[in-house]
Amino acid sequence: GDSVTQTEGQVALSEEDFLTIHCNYSASGYPTLFWYVQYPGEGPQLLFRASRDKEKGSSRGFEATYDKGTTSFHLRKASVQESDSAVYYCALSDTEGADRLTFGKGTQLIIQP
Amino acid sequence: DTTVKQNPRYKLARVGKPVNLICSQTMNHDTMYWYQKKPNQAPKLLLFYYDKILNREADTFEKFQSSRPNNSFCSLYIGSAGLEYSAMYLCASSRERDWGISAETLYFGSGTRLTVL
Repeated sequence: GDSVTQTEGQVALSEEDFLTIHCNYSASGYPTLFWYVQYPGEGPQLLFRASRDKEKGSSRGFEATYDKGTTSFHLRKASVQESDSAVYYCALSDTEGADRLTFGKGTQLIIQP
Repeated sequence: DTTVKQNPRYKLARVGKPVNLICSQTMNHDTMYWYQKKPNQAPKLLLFYYDKILNREADTFEKFQSSRPNNSFCSLYIGSAGLEYSAMYLCASSRERDWGISAETLYFGSGTRLTVL
């Protein structure tokens, strides 16, 4: 079945550091890829998504590029802020029927001021 | 208003007792989902309703039941809670996908944290 692997369980950075959170996926067909962000006390919310090879999704300074060749969708931000502290989930949606999301385990991002 | 509401925020249950969790959305979305989230695990899809049709995942088929009395409300029912049911339960909704267009966004509630003792 489909799967999503996030390498980092937790990332600790200082403000203005560069961020990379790795996401690799395994799926048949051509899934849509997502990054969701979950702030404390809230449910996950969509950060952005991409549906085609080489498509770049971006929002709030975060970006990721759909790479079918390496089956990856790594999240990057050039300069993180304390307010970016949250849990980040990579996810994919199957290509048929309802939008089942398969999630990665999530990466806890901690930004120290 | 893109709000999905879940009640209660925290729930305590006894082993062997039933549990009913409630979710509502006012976006007139066609599909409503229930996910289970345990520490250090990915959120796991338990079931979803597309309109009035219930779809339960194969590996949780017998453990969870659900009802959707109208478009706005959806419940998750556990007939006899076990310790392994302790988790965060996330409800989400999405509108109907337009065929040929990429997947729709899921809107999540804040979750209900269930503790079974």
